[in-house]
Amino acid sequence: SQQGEEDPQALSIQEGENATMNCSYKTSINNLQWYRQNSGRGLVHLILIRSNEREKHSGRLRVTLDTSKKSSSLLITASRAADTASYFCATDLGGQNFVFGPGTRLSVLP
Amino acid sequence: DAGITQSPRYKITETGRQVTLMCHQTWSHSYMFWYRQDLGHGLRLIYYSAAADITDKGEVPDGYVVSRSKTENFPLTLESATRSQTSVYFCASSDAGLAPLLFGPGTRLTVL
Repeated sequence: SQQGEEDPQALSIQEGENATMNCSYKTSINNLQWYRQNSGRGLVHLILIRSNEREKHSGRLRVTLDTSKKSSSLLITASRAADTASYFCATDLGGQNFVFGPGTRLSVLP
Repeated sequence: DAGITQSPRYKITETGRQVTLMCHQTWSHSYMFWYRQDLGHGLRLIYYSAAADITDKGEVPDGYVVSRSKTENFPLTLESATRSQTSVYFCASSDAGLAPLLFGPGTRLTVL
């Protein structure tokens, strides 16, 4: 299986609810990044968390990292229809070597 | 305009033909990358480059060739296209260190 794997594969919620996506990985990392991809578009960087950090916030986004469990979570609070997209975690193995998971498809229903 | 551009955005070709996908960035980033995106696989790295004239293989390099004679350009060539190379191709760039990847809009390639 892949270095980074998101869970769940798909998530459907109502507007205003929180969305949580998880990412598990296998090897040691320098940092972990989350990206968003709207349908038919390129990926957009959301947030980076270093290996020595445990939690990071950016607006409605909260990312946690547990290096002992080799896992990360992305929480989107008070979701909006515009948050509908695919979300990917990318693990940085060093030397700009990024490995992406298959992604979580989030649908936010109005 | 500043950013990263890819051309063409859509391409249909036939098995056995040579195809070149272009990527141009205006940030003078040292690193450039080519990924392919297929359902169920996420993004897989084909090739990357740390600087002009320095390229290295990624996870799925077979059937592809890259070059980087100038910092801003990183073309990807399929020397003899196969149906398995039907995919969406993304170019990205970044600075060294804790820099995020900045992606282009993608090229949707269909090999018949």
